[in-house]
Amino acid sequence: DQQVKQNSPSLSVQEGRISILNCDYTNSMFDYFLWYKKYPAEGPTFLISISSIKDKNEDGRFTVFLNKSAKHLSLHIVPSQPGDSAVYFCAASERTDSWGKFQFGAGTQVVVTP
Amino acid sequence: DAGITQSPRHKVTETGTPVTLRCHQTENHRYMYWYRQDPGHGLRLIHYSYGVKDTDKGEVSDGYSVSRSKTEDFLLTLESATSSQTSVYFCAISAAANYGYTFGSGTRLTVV
Repeated sequence: DQQVKQNSPSLSVQEGRISILNCDYTNSMFDYFLWYKKYPAEGPTFLISISSIKDKNEDGRFTVFLNKSAKHLSLHIVPSQPGDSAVYFCAASERTDSWGKFQFGAGTQVVVTP
Repeated sequence: DAGITQSPRHKVTETGTPVTLRCHQTENHRYMYWYRQDPGHGLRLIHYSYGVKDTDKGEVSDGYSVSRSKTEDFLLTLESATSSQTSVYFCAISAAANYGYTFGSGTRLTVV
């Protein structure tokens, strides 16, 4: 049973607008979250992280929000650029997991149109 | 920035044949992982390693085995390939638990 869910398989957004990607999780023990970006024929690359002691983390155009009570996180990209067209995965883990295993969502394909 | 490389990049094999995928790292990281990516499932953990000769199963380990005889190499073996193992396989490395991963470029495996 998938413990990390990205319920929107795809998202289309105009260049310059905001992209909002959503991720829900079911395991209340998860306390560390990552977002990865993946281009075709390449491996995923790290984008941004957040731990459960925070509810927001920003890095340039990317902001991740965490709502622990709702078990929900979201990634905001502002403004969206054509180079942001990629698949985005959210991932979650328990800090107490000694082996650092992450559970991944199914991904959201983002297409930024001119 | 090839701190992690996977080989081969593409492979087509027949059902029932053994296949070995290689992951090689130059970062001296302790943790290594094998994931598979399938549409609708995202990335699922097959096996992982937390040191030389120290490996364990992930959520989709049936039909796969791994070996890690050196820090830098993590091998994934399909003992007898099946069509359900057609997938894109990613290796990942991490310097410490819960540090986040660096992924390889992937191996696209097709079992016919």
